[in-house]
Amino acid sequence: EAGVAQSPRYKIIEKRQSVAFWCNPISGHATLYWYQQILGQGPKLLIQFQNNGVVDDSQLPKDRFSAERLKGVDSTLKIQPAKLEDSAVYLCASSRTAGQGPEAFFGQGTRLTVV
Amino acid sequence: KNQVEQSPQSLIILEGKNCTLQCNYTVSPFSNLRWYKQDTGRGPVSLTIMTFSENTKSNGRYTATLDADTKQSSLHITASQLSDSASYICVVSAGPGGYNKLIFGAGTRLAVHP
Repeated sequence: EAGVAQSPRYKIIEKRQSVAFWCNPISGHATLYWYQQILGQGPKLLIQFQNNGVVDDSQLPKDRFSAERLKGVDSTLKIQPAKLEDSAVYLCASSRTAGQGPEAFFGQGTRLTVV
Repeated sequence: KNQVEQSPQSLIILEGKNCTLQCNYTVSPFSNLRWYKQDTGRGPVSLTIMTFSENTKSNGRYTATLDADTKQSSLHITASQLSDSASYICVVSAGPGGYNKLIFGAGTRLAVHP
């Protein structure tokens, strides 16, 4: 089966600019996650969707970050305006169902550099 | 507070040698524990999954153990190869409760030298 697709792979922007990332999960996966991974650290959950509903966005900086998952399939993550500390890899992952600890499959990530 | 701690932070070994990575967790309610391998510039890939009742599980040269009483897990790599150079991340799943929450450790960066 095809994996999780993310785009772009790399993005460089100036602080205070806006940026958007796109994720296409594995077909049939109801759960979609967005993670932020700062260099040298483990991924940190930003937001988790179950179909097109949000089940956890407690660590999403809502003053500048937003995410949506239209029709329960593709998802976009937006940052507006970006700060220097947003420089990180943004990983998208998907899994079949929630509740039984299913395997999360990850995309290759988008590396964001804010200058 | 749900936490996953890994040690060591980084490790350098020679090709062919064995090594063991550690993971301690305080996650409730516990659903399962996975070890992921993350190559540079790639997303994490699952190596093993362990549930509450499992003590050990192998995947080729990778062997994971779980002690649910002490809330500790280890990942043992046998006869290391250069391609084992990566970050190894311990991930504990918190559930049930309607949805699965993944708690990530910071990872151990392993470098295998010839």
